[in-house]
Amino acid sequence: KAGVTQTPRYLIKTRGQQVTLSCSPISGHRSVSWYQQTPGQGLQFLFEYFSETQRNKGNFPGRFSGRQFSNSRSEMNVSTLELGDSALYLCASSLVLRSSSYEQYFGPGTRLTVT
Amino acid sequence: ELKVEQNPLFLSMQEGKNYTIYCNYSTTSDRLYWYRQDPGKSLESLFVLLSNGAVKQEGRLMASLDTKARLSTLHITAAVHDLSATYFCAVDLVEGGSEKLVFGKGTKLTVNP
Repeated sequence: KAGVTQTPRYLIKTRGQQVTLSCSPISGHRSVSWYQQTPGQGLQFLFEYFSETQRNKGNFPGRFSGRQFSNSRSEMNVSTLELGDSALYLCASSLVLRSSSYEQYFGPGTRLTVT
Repeated sequence: ELKVEQNPLFLSMQEGKNYTIYCNYSTTSDRLYWYRQDPGKSLESLFVLLSNGAVKQEGRLMASLDTKARLSTLHITAAVHDLSATYFCAVDLVEGGSEKLVFGKGTKLTVNP
Protein backbone atom coordinates (compact mmCIF):
# COMPACT_ATOMS: atom_id res chain seq x y z
CA LYS A 1 0.00 0.00 0.00
CA ALA A 2 1.49 3.36 -0.96
CA GLY A 3 2.14 5.79 1.85
CA VAL A 4 1.30 9.45 2.12
CA THR A 5 2.90 11.46 -0.65
CA GLN A 6 3.67 15.14 -0.66
CA THR A 7 4.75 17.39 -3.49
CA PRO A 8 6.94 19.20 -3.99
CA ARG A 9 9.56 17.97 -1.57
CA TYR A 10 11.55 21.19 -1.60
CA LEU A 11 10.54 24.71 -2.44
CA ILE A 12 12.25 28.09 -2.37
CA LYS A 13 10.08 31.18 -2.51
CA THR A 14 10.52 34.90 -2.02
CA ARG A 15 8.78 37.01 0.61
CA GLY A 16 5.39 38.16 -0.56
CA GLN A 17 4.83 35.25 -2.91
CA GLN A 18 2.30 32.54 -2.37
CA VAL A 19 2.77 28.78 -2.37
CA THR A 20 0.62 25.69 -2.74
CA LEU A 21 1.59 22.35 -1.28
CA SER A 22 -0.07 19.07 -2.15
CA CYS A 23 -0.75 15.91 -0.18
CA SER A 24 -2.13 12.57 -1.34
CA PRO A 25 -3.29 10.39 1.55
CA ILE A 26 -3.08 6.65 1.87
CA SER A 27 -5.78 5.00 -0.21
CA GLY A 28 -8.98 4.78 1.81
CA HIS A 29 -7.96 7.47 4.29
CA ARG A 30 -10.38 10.37 4.24
CA SER A 31 -8.89 12.55 6.96
CA VAL A 32 -5.90 14.73 6.14
CA SER A 33 -4.11 16.90 8.67
CA TRP A 34 -1.34 19.42 8.16
CA TYR A 35 1.43 20.33 10.58
CA GLN A 36 4.19 22.91 10.51
CA GLN A 37 7.57 22.15 12.01
CA THR A 38 10.06 24.90 12.83
CA PRO A 39 13.10 24.88 15.12
CA GLY A 40 11.57 27.55 17.33
CA GLN A 41 7.94 26.46 17.62
CA GLY A 42 8.29 22.75 17.07
CA LEU A 43 5.46 20.78 15.53
CA GLN A 44 2.20 22.68 15.35
CA PHE A 45 -1.19 21.67 14.01
CA LEU A 46 -2.44 23.72 11.07
CA PHE A 47 -5.76 22.15 10.05
CA GLU A 48 -7.64 18.94 9.44
CA TYR A 49 -9.93 18.04 6.56
CA PHE A 50 -12.44 15.26 6.32
CA SER A 51 -14.80 14.69 3.42
CA GLU A 52 -13.83 18.01 1.86
CA THR A 53 -14.67 19.93 5.03
CA GLN A 54 -12.28 21.64 7.40
CA ARG A 55 -13.08 20.19 10.79
CA ASN A 56 -10.39 21.84 12.87
CA LYS A 57 -7.95 24.69 12.56
CA GLY A 58 -4.87 25.58 14.54
CA ASN A 59 -3.78 28.99 15.67
CA PHE A 60 -2.37 30.32 12.42
CA PRO A 61 -3.16 33.52 10.52
CA GLY A 62 -5.62 33.56 7.66
CA ARG A 63 -2.74 33.51 5.18
CA PHE A 64 -2.72 29.78 5.76
CA SER A 65 -5.57 27.99 4.07
CA GLY A 66 -6.33 24.59 2.70
CA ARG A 67 -8.82 22.46 0.93
CA GLN A 68 -9.62 18.85 0.27
CA PHE A 69 -10.88 17.33 -2.93
CA SER A 70 -13.40 14.56 -3.46
CA ASN A 71 -10.58 12.01 -3.87
CA SER A 72 -9.28 13.05 -0.39
CA ARG A 73 -6.20 14.74 -1.81
CA SER A 74 -5.49 17.97 -0.01
CA GLU A 75 -3.70 21.19 -0.73
CA MET A 76 -2.55 23.92 1.58
CA ASN A 77 -1.85 27.45 0.49
CA VAL A 78 0.21 30.14 2.13
CA SER A 79 -0.20 33.63 0.76
CA THR A 80 2.05 36.66 1.24
CA LEU A 81 4.93 34.55 2.45
CA GLU A 82 7.03 35.73 5.36
CA LEU A 83 10.51 34.63 6.39
CA GLY A 84 8.99 32.93 9.42
CA ASP A 85 6.99 30.61 7.18
CA SER A 86 10.17 28.72 6.36
CA ALA A 87 9.49 25.29 7.77
CA LEU A 88 8.92 21.63 7.12
CA TYR A 89 5.25 21.11 6.31
CA LEU A 90 4.00 17.66 7.13
CA CYS A 91 0.82 16.07 5.97
CA ALA A 92 -0.76 13.13 7.77
CA SER A 93 -3.67 10.94 6.81
CA SER A 94 -5.85 8.71 8.91
CA LEU A 95 -8.71 6.30 8.57
CA VAL A 96 -12.07 7.38 9.94
CA LEU A 97 -14.68 4.75 10.74
CA ARG A 98 -18.00 5.47 12.44
CA SER A 99 -16.72 8.88 13.58
CA SER A 100 -13.62 7.38 15.17
CA SER A 101 -10.25 8.39 13.85
CA TYR A 102 -7.28 6.11 13.83
CA GLU A 103 -3.52 6.55 13.80
CA GLN A 104 -2.14 9.33 11.65
CA TYR A 105 0.50 8.41 9.08
CA PHE A 106 2.89 11.11 8.05
CA GLY A 107 4.21 11.93 4.62
CA PRO A 108 7.83 12.86 3.85
CA GLY A 109 7.12 16.58 4.15
CA THR A 110 7.71 19.65 2.03
CA ARG A 111 10.67 21.79 3.01
CA LEU A 112 9.75 25.43 2.30
CA THR A 113 12.42 28.10 2.38
CA VAL A 114 11.37 31.74 2.15
CA THR A 115 14.10 34.20 1.20
CA GLU B 1 -5.18 24.19 26.41
CA LEU B 2 -3.36 20.88 26.27
CA LYS B 3 0.32 21.11 27.09
CA VAL B 4 2.79 18.32 26.42
CA GLU B 5 6.15 18.46 28.11
CA GLN B 6 9.08 16.22 27.35
CA ASN B 7 12.26 15.91 29.28
CA PRO B 8 15.07 15.93 28.82
CA LEU B 9 15.20 17.96 25.62
CA PHE B 10 18.76 16.86 24.95
CA LEU B 11 20.27 13.55 25.91
CA SER B 12 23.80 12.38 25.27
CA MET B 13 24.52 8.86 26.31
CA GLN B 14 27.09 6.17 25.81
CA GLU B 15 26.46 2.99 23.93
CA GLY B 16 25.31 0.23 26.19
CA LYS B 17 23.67 2.50 28.75
CA ASN B 18 20.01 2.75 29.70
CA TYR B 19 17.91 5.87 29.95
CA THR B 20 14.30 7.07 30.08
CA ILE B 21 12.59 9.94 28.32
CA TYR B 22 9.53 11.38 30.03
CA CYS B 23 6.37 12.86 28.53
CA ASN B 24 3.86 14.68 30.73
CA TYR B 25 0.59 16.08 29.45
CA SER B 26 -1.96 18.34 31.05
CA THR B 27 -5.42 16.99 30.14
CA THR B 28 -7.10 13.65 29.67
CA SER B 29 -6.46 11.85 26.42
CA ASP B 30 -7.15 8.39 25.08
CA ARG B 31 -4.10 8.06 22.88
CA LEU B 32 -0.45 8.83 23.04
CA TYR B 33 2.11 8.35 20.31
CA TRP B 34 5.86 8.18 20.14
CA TYR B 35 7.63 9.18 16.95
CA ARG B 36 11.20 9.16 15.79
CA GLN B 37 12.62 11.78 13.46
CA ASP B 38 16.00 11.64 11.76
CA PRO B 39 17.57 14.91 10.56
CA GLY B 40 15.76 16.29 7.53
CA LYS B 41 13.26 13.44 7.54
CA SER B 42 9.62 12.97 8.40
CA LEU B 43 8.13 11.34 11.48
CA GLU B 44 8.35 7.61 11.89
CA SER B 45 5.74 6.06 14.15
CA LEU B 46 7.22 4.00 16.98
CA PHE B 47 4.38 3.28 19.38
CA VAL B 48 0.68 3.91 19.81
CA LEU B 49 -0.48 3.67 23.43
CA LEU B 50 -4.22 3.39 23.85
CA SER B 51 -4.99 2.64 27.46
CA ASN B 52 -3.82 3.06 30.99
CA GLY B 53 -1.02 0.67 31.80
CA ALA B 54 -0.23 0.02 28.13
CA VAL B 55 3.31 -1.14 27.55
CA LYS B 56 4.83 -1.74 24.15
CA GLN B 57 8.31 -2.85 23.20
CA GLU B 58 10.24 -2.88 19.98
CA GLY B 59 13.87 -3.81 20.05
CA ARG B 60 15.73 -1.63 22.54
CA LEU B 61 12.79 0.75 23.03
CA MET B 62 9.91 0.31 25.43
CA ALA B 63 7.05 2.74 25.93
CA SER B 64 4.48 2.88 28.70
CA LEU B 65 1.45 4.96 29.55
CA ASP B 66 -0.06 5.98 32.88
CA THR B 67 -3.20 7.95 32.09
CA LYS B 68 -3.91 8.70 35.74
CA ALA B 69 -0.54 10.37 36.16
CA ARG B 70 -0.75 11.74 32.59
CA LEU B 71 2.70 10.39 32.01
CA SER B 72 4.33 8.31 29.33
CA THR B 73 7.88 7.04 29.30
CA LEU B 74 10.17 5.86 26.54
CA HIS B 75 12.87 3.62 27.94
CA ILE B 76 16.05 2.91 26.03
CA THR B 77 17.92 -0.24 26.88
CA ALA B 78 21.58 -0.77 25.99
CA ALA B 79 21.66 2.13 23.56
CA VAL B 80 23.36 1.81 20.20
CA HIS B 81 24.47 4.55 17.82
CA ASP B 82 21.61 3.83 15.41
CA LEU B 83 19.15 5.10 18.01
CA SER B 84 20.51 8.63 17.64
CA ALA B 85 17.55 10.74 16.52
CA THR B 86 14.94 13.12 17.90
CA TYR B 87 12.02 11.47 19.70
CA PHE B 88 8.64 13.11 20.02
CA CYS B 89 5.65 12.21 22.07
CA ALA B 90 2.26 13.40 20.86
CA VAL B 91 -1.08 13.40 22.58
CA ASP B 92 -4.35 13.01 20.72
CA LEU B 93 -6.74 15.89 21.42
CA VAL B 94 -10.35 15.55 20.36
CA GLU B 95 -12.14 18.79 19.58
CA GLY B 96 -15.64 18.91 18.16
CA GLY B 97 -15.42 15.54 16.44
CA SER B 98 -11.99 16.25 15.02
CA GLU B 99 -8.69 15.07 16.35
CA LYS B 100 -5.32 16.71 16.33
CA LEU B 101 -1.95 15.78 17.70
CA VAL B 102 -0.27 18.02 20.24
CA PHE B 103 3.47 17.37 20.26
CA GLY B 104 6.13 17.73 22.86
CA LYS B 105 9.23 19.68 21.92
CA GLY B 106 11.18 16.52 21.28
CA THR B 107 14.19 14.88 22.86
CA LYS B 108 17.35 14.93 20.79
CA LEU B 109 19.21 11.75 21.59
CA THR B 110 22.87 11.29 20.75
CA VAL B 111 24.42 7.91 21.42
CA ASN B 112 28.19 8.04 21.56
CA PRO B 113 30.45 5.04 20.96
